[in-house]
Amino acid sequence: QVQLQQSGPGLVKPAETLSLTCDISGDSVSSRTSTWNWIRQSPSRGLEWLGRTFYRSKWYTESAASVRSRITFSPDTSRNQISLHLSSATPDDSAVYYCARGGVPDSRGLFHLEAFDFWSQGTLVTVSA
Amino acid sequence: QSVLTQPPSASGPPGQRVTISCSGSGSNFGIKNVNWYQQLPGTAPKLLIFNTDQRPSGVPERFSGSKSGTSASLAISGLRSEDEADYYCATCDDSPNCVFGGGTKLSVL
Repeated sequence: QVQLQQSGPGLVKPAETLSLTCDISGDSVSSRTSTWNWIRQSPSRGLEWLGRTFYRSKWYTESAASVRSRITFSPDTSRNQISLHLSSATPDDSAVYYCARGGVPDSRGLFHLEAFDFWSQGTLVTVSA
Repeated sequence: QSVLTQPPSASGPPGQRVTISCSGSGSNFGIKNVNWYQQLPGTAPKLLIFNTDQRPSGVPERFSGSKSGTSASLAISGLRSEDEADYYCATCDDSPNCVFGGGTKLSVL
């Protein structure tokens, strides 16, 4: 059973970098059939996909246009974890942040990378002075 | 960019069948797969339906998905009190950019 355990500060000051880590168990961060996604949820923005990282002979990262200039992902194969870094945080970045695995297998053995089957518990991050 | 529109609320008595719609606009929704998530209060979303009409292991057959043109639907039959939750549709385009609908709050009367 895949489990994702998130950690990181719940309070970030404006203009600083918001950083969160997601520890993966039951799967490998380097899996060639999984993607590792970051999603946030707030009352004003609803559920918002931020981006993903995945390994297919090399590391790839893809991100939403709304945060692309500020976001980076850091996979760590030795610790089997992924990290999110969102720079220049503003109060609008206040949300519950989740990491989630993409790559649900169907009955034919195909993996659906856009479907998120395992989620972390979520971390409420508040951006405030 | 795709935008997904859901009704804000839906309801039904126990045992009934309820349908939640998800209308798409923008590029690619007509040929892309839709996923559905259930979110109970204070918990992370849970995948209910993927690839428009497939259920992950462990999801009851009471939950089913379908799509027609630029609209998708989630149907819940034999409604139970534990089905009270928020339901979200989601899809990804080729950018890739993944978007979620605004969510539908289901009440079991």
